[in-house]
Formats: sequence, C-alpha cells, structure tokens
Amino acid sequence: GAGVSQSPSNKVTEKGKDVELRCDPISGHTALYWYRQSLGQGLEFLIYFQGNSAPDKSGLPSDRFSAERTGGSVSTLTIQRTQQEDSAVYLCASSLGGVGYGYTFGSGTRLTVV
Amino acid sequence: DQQVKQNSPSLSVQEGRISILNCDYTNSMFDYFLWYKKYPAEGPTFLISISSIKDKNEDGRFTVFLNKSAKHLSLHIVPSQPGDSAVYFCAAPTYSGGGADGLTFGKGTHLIIQP
Repeated sequence: GAGVSQSPSNKVTEKGKDVELRCDPISGHTALYWYRQSLGQGLEFLIYFQGNSAPDKSGLPSDRFSAERTGGSVSTLTIQRTQQEDSAVYLCASSLGGVGYGYTFGSGTRLTVV
Repeated sequence: DQQVKQNSPSLSVQEGRISILNCDYTNSMFDYFLWYKKYPAEGPTFLISISSIKDKNEDGRFTVFLNKSAKHLSLHIVPSQPGDSAVYFCAAPTYSGGGADGLTFGKGTHLIIQP
C-alpha cells in the first residue's frame, strides 16, 4: 500500500483478555518499529524488526507483550492478559532501514482496557 | 532516564509570529536529530532533521538549530500558520551493534496557533 496500515484503529477490551494488533508496512520497507504513546507521555519504543528478526526486544514492557513479523512484511503485536495500564495508542512505523526521513508511521491503534 | 526532553508541554503563538520549540538531550553520543509533527488521530510525520556536524538546517518556514555544547536544539517556525497547530516531537536515533534500532522521542510540545 501507499502508507503504513494499522488495524484495528480502535480496540476496547476487558481486563484480562488478549489482544492482537496488526501492522502492514510500506511494501519494500525492511525495518519495522512498534511504539506506544500513553496519555501525556512521549513515544515509547517497544520493538524493532529488521526483516523477520527482532534484534532489540528490550523495550517490551513485560512478558505479556510479544511481537512477530512474517515474510518480512506484516507484523502483529500481541498483548496477553491485558491490564488497564496497557491502554495507549500503539504506533507502527516502517523504513528502508534508516531512522531519518524514511521512517513512516501508521495512524495507530487506540487500545482501551476497561 | 529521559534522554530527550521537551520541557514545555504546550505553547501558544499568534498567527504570523515565530514559534520556537525547544528540546534538550543528555546523551552526547546522539549524532542526528529529527522533528516530527503529529495531528490528532494520525501518526507522526517527519518534518525536518539535522546532523550533529551542522548547527542549522532550513526548509521553508522551518529551521532547526543545534547547539552541541549545550546539548540543545530548537525548531523555529516562521511565520506560524493555523495548520501548524499540532504536537511536535523531538527525536534522536539509538544505536546497537547492528545499527540504528529505533528513535528516542521527547514527550512532545503541543503548539497552538491563535488567529
């Protein structure tokens, strides 16, 4: 597609449920990043993929969070046993490999845990 | 430890005047800085960047200044327009042995342009 596509755009879930967030990057972009923005906070780095591998998972907040990327394209971020503090906007970005102007964000998934 | 700091959560500027958004950093290893702009319900979009070998980069109404000794950069918007109302994030790349693996962002400054 022309841009980075994220789905769903909004998700309301009950505490304790699992959720899966999807990111479809720009075709040909090898690098893919997940960030989250909590209320009143900046963008918090979660994980980075180069191709299908994730060299840096240190940003994942807990072991309830996991992410995978298949075929060097679509990525899913899974949050198990959601907690209220997981409520945030989850943003995905892709790039050709650099962190400069080639870094394109999707519109995000707003997750609300009730 | 916040390595990129934007100490002003919001800034209000009159249309036509200059907007100055500030950013401080603590990591002297940062060698490249970016500004992103974010409208509500949209992802951030790249605005302008500067390499640490420069002290100024200009693109139309937007100019970024870098003061390495003070570990400070600023984004100037002249003249400010209503469409500039947005949240502005300052960011710097973080590196591991394999190369750049993400951006460290500040908390953002909400710029409001008043008519």
